[in-house]
Amino acid sequence: GAGVSQTPSNKVTEKGKYVELRCDPISGHTALYWYRQSLGQGPEFLIYFQGTGAADDSGLPNDRFFAVRPEGSVSTLKIQRTERGDSAVYLCASSGDPGPPTGELFFGEGSRLTVL
Amino acid sequence: AQSVAQPEDQVNVAEGNPLTVKCTYSVSGNPYLFWYVQYPNRGLQFLLKYITGDNLVKGSYGFEAEFNKSQTSFHLKKPSALVSDSALYFCAVRDGIRPNAGNMLTFGGGTRLMVKP
Repeated sequence: GAGVSQTPSNKVTEKGKYVELRCDPISGHTALYWYRQSLGQGPEFLIYFQGTGAADDSGLPNDRFFAVRPEGSVSTLKIQRTERGDSAVYLCASSGDPGPPTGELFFGEGSRLTVL
Repeated sequence: AQSVAQPEDQVNVAEGNPLTVKCTYSVSGNPYLFWYVQYPNRGLQFLLKYITGDNLVKGSYGFEAEFNKSQTSFHLKKPSALVSDSALYFCAVRDGIRPNAGNMLTFGGGTRLMVKP
């Protein structure tokens, strides 16, 4: 597609439920990033994929959070046993630089998660 | 660990006046520095970057930023503000040392720019 697509745009769930958030990056982009943006704060790094593998998952807050990218394109962020503190906008970004990083990420519009 | 500070939650400026949005950073090695903008109901958009070279870098929409190594700052500037520049601005840094960091960025908390007509 023309840009990074994230679905759903809004998700309301109850505490304890399981949630999946999907990201479809720009076609051909090899790197994919998940960030979380809480109200009034800047984006916080969660995990980064290069191809199919997670190159760095140091930002995942705990083992309730997991992400996959099985075919090196679409990625799914999975949150188990959701808690109210998980409420945030989850941002996905992609970049296509196989060489030295340029820092230019292309962001989707985000998935707003509300845990009641 | 790397970090970014944006000391102002909001900057107010009149249309046509110059604007400055402040950013300071802390990072190991030489910094890679970036500015992103977030318009209402839109995704974050890349504005400009400093990797190496001239301390004054130019970016999209007439914005520029000045890298100051001694003050560890990377302030965003524009000579003449437009109402349409009103948005949320984020400064970000990438570690210049880690070889496999890709484009993993650490963002500041953001500064809301309000340009009044």
